[in-house]
Amino acid sequence: DTGVSQNPRHKITKRGQNVTFRCDPISEHNRLYWYRQTLGQGPEFLTYFQNEAQLEKSRLLSDRFSAERPKGSFSTLEIQRTEQGDSAMYLCASTLGSQETQYFGPGTRLLVL
Amino acid sequence: AQSVTQLDSHVSVSEGTPVLLRCNYSSSYSPSLFWYVQHPNKGLQLLLKYTSAATLVKGINGFEAEFKKSETSFHLTKPSAHMSDAAEYFCVVRINFGNEKLTFGTGTRLTIIP
Repeated sequence: DTGVSQNPRHKITKRGQNVTFRCDPISEHNRLYWYRQTLGQGPEFLTYFQNEAQLEKSRLLSDRFSAERPKGSFSTLEIQRTEQGDSAMYLCASTLGSQETQYFGPGTRLLVL
Repeated sequence: AQSVTQLDSHVSVSEGTPVLLRCNYSSSYSPSLFWYVQHPNKGLQLLLKYTSAATLVKGINGFEAEFKKSETSFHLTKPSAHMSDAAEYFCVVRINFGNEKLTFGTGTRLTIIP
């Protein structure tokens, strides 16, 4: 399968714990996006990378959130000191470049107890 | 800023009858418009996209959409619904410069009645 992959698919954690998600984009896609989808809503933009550079972060991304794409390939999204409000589906998408289609991974569903 | 409004949160149709999912958009610039579908426990899949070429866009699985600038609409249609079409559908707008982030509507859940 050469699509976008995300791991883990599901994560249950206790409030206050740290969690990290991984996204592997389609090979050679230089742009990578993170979105968050809460129940009953459409996905919302969190941040994006062009190669290894993080070029923009949404106001939704508080200081507890950090994202990296160290070698311009896979990306990680870390949430520190999780809160119940962080419970959501975290989606990753990649694209070959400007004005190209974004392809989505299956998402990581986070539940904070 | 850009936004999309999906006019129906839930649509039910009988198998074999036409499907219409409505979407209106708002954008300060000429946007690209998309419809994505999300099946349970599966990722978002692109159905079709409009990028300033033909205003009638054909997608996968028999879906099509028409871009109407005067009405700021991009409604999704299919002549004959199939049971496998049951899913959540998202209308999406993208500005074609800067971060090119996707802005999603709140979704329309399509139910197919046997």
